Amino acid sequence: AQKITQTQPGMFVQEKEAVTLDCTYDTSDQSYGLFWYKQPSSGEMIFLIYQGSYDEQNATEGRYSLNFQKARKSANLVISASQLGDSAMYFCAMREYTGNQFYFGTGTSLTVIP
Amino acid sequence: DAGVTQSPTHLIKTRGQQVTLRCSPKSGHDTVSWYQQALGQGPQFIFQYYEEEERQRGNFPDRFSGHQFPNYSSELNVNALLLGDSALYLCASSLGRTPASGYTFGSGTRLTVV
Repeated sequence: AQKITQTQPGMFVQEKEAVTLDCTYDTSDQSYGLFWYKQPSSGEMIFLIYQGSYDEQNATEGRYSLNFQKARKSANLVISASQLGDSAMYFCAMREYTGNQFYFGTGTSLTVIP
Repeated sequence: DAGVTQSPTHLIKTRGQQVTLRCSPKSGHDTVSWYQQALGQGPQFIFQYYEEEERQRGNFPDRFSGHQFPNYSSELNVNALLLGDSALYLCASSLGRTPASGYTFGSGTRLTVV
């Protein structure tokens, strides 16, 4: 079974608008972390935001927020006030704290339109 | 402060050959993880090194091996290359068992097997 599912291969958003990128996860562990990374064409994975499984409040980092719905096992990324530089691949990932590896989804390609 | 440095950036090898990829972790980090990212896919965990030992391994054949040196730098070796080994190989460094914000990725080595 897939640990991380991203169902949106590609998304378009108008500059200055908000966009939501979907992510669902699958784990039987109680302790885990959920992450979003941005990957521009250069290849580097850039950390955006982190949510721990025991965190009651949704994480926020500047224009990024994570909509964490534990019962639904979803961890959607919301980008507010989109900028042209936000155009990139976005990956949702999970680390179960019983292990050391990250499980990544297949990614969503975001294009910001001027 | 230098981040994660990977070399070479690009590499072309012939099927059946062997390849060595190198990674220098971010200053202060002692743990190195390697990921394979095939075209259009999310990164897949290969293995993690800590204190010069392989701490965890993903679902990759023994053709994939690694090493960590006393200065925490690491090598990924792939023997008997197959066409399917063509991918972006990402190195990530961290300090012990830290949350995601402590994982720093390099820009990767793009390996093409012909």
